[in-house]
Amino acid sequence: GQQLNQSPQSMFIQEGEDVSMNCTSSSIFNTWLWYKQDPGEGPVLLIALYKAGELTSNGRLTAQFGITRKDSFLNISASIPSDVGIYFCAGYLGNQFYFGTGTSLTVIP
Amino acid sequence: EPEVTQTPSHQVTQMGQEVILRCVPISNHLYFYWYRQILGQKVEFLVSFYNNEISEKSEIFDDQFSVERPDGSNFTLKIRSTKLEDSAMYFCASIMTGWSYEQYFGPGTRLTVT
Repeated sequence: GQQLNQSPQSMFIQEGEDVSMNCTSSSIFNTWLWYKQDPGEGPVLLIALYKAGELTSNGRLTAQFGITRKDSFLNISASIPSDVGIYFCAGYLGNQFYFGTGTSLTVIP
Repeated sequence: EPEVTQTPSHQVTQMGQEVILRCVPISNHLYFYWYRQILGQKVEFLVSFYNNEISEKSEIFDDQFSVERPDGSNFTLKIRSTKLEDSAMYFCASIMTGWSYEQYFGPGTRLTVT
C-alpha cells in the first residue's frame, strides 16, 4: 500500500508556540486531509485540501497541499493545551484513504 | 450536529468466535468505510461500501471479514473467526457524496481477542 511519512514523529512545545508538521509520500494524491485524534477516540477532520498549492485555514490551523502533490503541511499557531493529540495526514487515491504515521503533539502549559 | 455512532464501545471475545461491530453512519451519507487501528499505530483502511456493495477492500480484508448494510441505517463489520491479531480499534466512517472527501469517523469499537 501507499506509504505516507509524517515528521516529526513527536513534538514537545510550550503553550503559545507555533507548530509545523509535514507529510510526504512517494505517490501523488488528489486530496489531502488532516485529522486530530485524541486517546481512545476516532480521528476528527480538521482540514481538507483539493488542489495543488491550495492553502486553507481553520481557526489557528493552516494546511497546504504541496505543489508536487506528494506532500502536505500543517501549521498550528499559538498552541494551547487542548491541541494535545496525534495529528494524522491522509491522502485519497483510487477510492481509498491512506493514513500517515502520525505526529504526536504535547503542549506544556 | 450529526455524527457517526458505533456499538459496542468495547468488545471482548475469545479466539475463534464471531463478532459483529455495528455502525450508524450520518443519515444523508452514501459512502461508508471500516478502518482498523492497532494500538499505537496508524489508521489502516479495510473496506469501502457504496450502493450496497463493496467498492474497494484492502489486503487486510480477507475472507474472515464481511460487511453489510442490513437496513437503511446500520452498517456492520463481521469477523467470522477472530484471531489474536484482530485485537484493535475499529472505526467506521462515512462521506456524503463521491465529490466530497470529508470523511467523518465514529468513536470506534475496541476489540480485544483473548
